[in-house]
Amino acid sequence: GIQVEQSPPDLILQEGANSTLRCNFSDSVNNLQWFHQNPWGQLINLFYIPSGTKQNGRLSATTVATERYSLLYISSSQTTDSGVYFCAGMDSGGSNYKLTFGKGTLLTVNP
Amino acid sequence: DTEVTQTPKHLVMGMTNKKSLKCEQHMGHRAMYWYKQKAKKPPELMFVYSYEKLSINESVPSRFSPECPNSSLLNLHLHALQPEDSALYLCASSQGATSNYGYTFGSGTRLTVV
Repeated sequence: GIQVEQSPPDLILQEGANSTLRCNFSDSVNNLQWFHQNPWGQLINLFYIPSGTKQNGRLSATTVATERYSLLYISSSQTTDSGVYFCAGMDSGGSNYKLTFGKGTLLTVNP
Repeated sequence: DTEVTQTPKHLVMGMTNKKSLKCEQHMGHRAMYWYKQKAKKPPELMFVYSYEKLSINESVPSRFSPECPNSSLLNLHLHALQPEDSALYLCASSQGATSNYGYTFGSGTRLTVV
C-alpha cells in the first residue's frame, strides 16, 4: 500500500511562533490534502494540493510531487490552531476513492 | 451550503441495540464516504458510495450496514456492535467520481457501545 509519513509527531509552540509540518509520501500517492482536526473532532480541509504552493491567510502549503513531500507552514500561530494536522493522499495506481492518512502531527499552541 | 451534516453528534448504545447514523450534504457531491477513527489514530476508510452505488467496502464486519437512499443522504445502520466499535464515525463527500478534489468532512458521531 501507499505510505504517508508525517513529522514531527508532536509540536508545542508559544503563541505567535511559526512552524513547519512535513509530509513524505510514496511514489504512487497523488491528490495530496492537508486537514486540521480540532479538539472536538471536526476535520477541516485546509488545502487540496497535489503540487505547487497555496496560501490561505496565515497558512500555506507546498507540495513537490517529484520529490514526494509536502510542507504546511503556520505563521503567527494562535491557540485556535491547536489540534491534529493530517496529510492524506490517494493511490494513483488503485482506487481513486480511498484517502489514506498519515499519523498526524499534534500541535499545541500555548498562550 | 458547503457542509456535511451528521446526526446524532453523540450516541450510546447497548450491544443488542439497533441504531443508525445519518449524513447529509447538499453540495452536489457524487461520492460519499464513511470513516472510523479511534482515539489518537488517523481516520480509516470503511465504505465509499459513488453515484449512490457502493463502490468500496474495506472488509467491514456485517454489523455495519451502509445505505445511500439518494445522492444527498448516507446512512450507517448499526446492529449487535461490540465495545471495540466505540469510535468517532466520520462522513465525508467529494465532488467527482474520480475524486480529484478535496474532501469535505462532517463533524462526526461519537459512538460508545456499552
